[in-house]
Parts: sequence; structure tokens; C-alpha cells
Amino acid sequence: GQQVMQIPQYQHVQEGEDFTTYCNSSTTLSNIQWYKQRPGGHPVFLIQLVKSGEVKKQKRLTFQFGEAKKNSSLHITATQTTDVGTYFCAGGAGANSKLTFGKGITLSVRP
Amino acid sequence: NAGVTQTPKFRILKIGQSMTLQCTQDMNHNYMYWYRQDPGMGLKLIYYSVGAGITDKGEVPNGYNVSRSTTEDFPLRLELAAPSQTSVYFCASGNGGMVNSNQPQHFGDGTRLSIL
Repeated sequence: GQQVMQIPQYQHVQEGEDFTTYCNSSTTLSNIQWYKQRPGGHPVFLIQLVKSGEVKKQKRLTFQFGEAKKNSSLHITATQTTDVGTYFCAGGAGANSKLTFGKGITLSVRP
Repeated sequence: NAGVTQTPKFRILKIGQSMTLQCTQDMNHNYMYWYRQDPGMGLKLIYYSVGAGITDKGEVPNGYNVSRSTTEDFPLRLELAAPSQTSVYFCASGNGGMVNSNQPQHFGDGTRLSIL
């Protein structure tokens, strides 16, 4: 079945540093979504990418979908302590398909 | 709008007991999902439903049952609780996707379940 991989599972950065994480799928995706889960909270939808090579920005967060639609990246510019949490990517095959979630990457930020 | 509401928030069960985790949404979403989240393991889909009266198994359905008698409610039933079912359970809802896109999923606050 479809697998979505996020490696590593943990990353620690100094506040103000940039942070990039990647998501890789074993199959070609129709779309990819990113979610953020704060400690003790629930996953919250951040963004969806649909087109090959698509790039979307949300303030200091930049999301990219690979040309082959098998990978995606999340880049955070100048991390802040509010960026702490676990970031999940989830791959979808569109329409009535289910999402397959990666294991997530937990980001900690040293003030 | 309350969004997705899960009850209870916490529960401790003894091995062999049964319980129902409640989930209700007020967004008129046709799709609903149950996930479990174990430390370092991401979200595993237990069951999902594409509409009232229709349910289907996800990745880890064993030991669980669901029903979807209304659009709003999607309860998850544990019949014989086992220690391996200790986890955080999230219910989510969303609308069906277009041809090339899935719709965002809206999650409840979760139920933290311990089985001793």
C-alpha cells in the first residue's frame, strides 16, 4: 500500500534558524496536505498542494510539491518558539481516497 | 460552530471492559474518520465513513467497530479492551474531494484512553 515517509522524526533548532523538512511517498500522489499538531493538541490543517512543482507560502512557512508529485517540503524561515510542534504530511490520491499520514517530525526550538 | 466534538476526553478502562467513544460534527461533512495516535507512530486510520449508513475499514480496524446512523455522529466501539488499545483517539471530518484533491480534515480534541 501507499507509504508516506518523514525522516527524521525529531529536530532541534535554535530560535532564528531556518528549518526544512521533507516528505516522501512511495507512489505518485494527487495531492499532499500538511498538518501541525501542538503539544497536547490535535492536528490542524495547514495547506494542500495539488499541482506538480507548486509552491505556497504562509507567512514564514513555504510548502513545495515535487515535480514528480512524490515528495514535498516544508521550510520555516527564522523559527520562533511558536513553531514548536509536530508537522505531519499526508498524501492523497484524490476524490474518495483516504489520506495516508506520515509519522511526523517533532520540532523543538531553543529560545 | 463547535466543529468536531469528542467525548470523553480521558478514560481509564480495565482489560476486557467495553466502551464507546463519541464523535459528533456540526459542519455537515459527509466524510468522517477515526484515527489512533501512538507516540512516534503518526496517525493510523481505524475506520472511516463516506456518509450515513456507510462505513469501511482503515489500516488498523481489529478490536473496533463503528456505525454511522446520521451525518453528524460517528461513534467508535471497543468491545473487549486490551492494553494494546491504549492510545489517543482522534475523530475527524471533511467533505469528499474533487477529482485531484482531498478536502482538509478537521480534527476533534481527542480521547486519551488507558487500558490497565
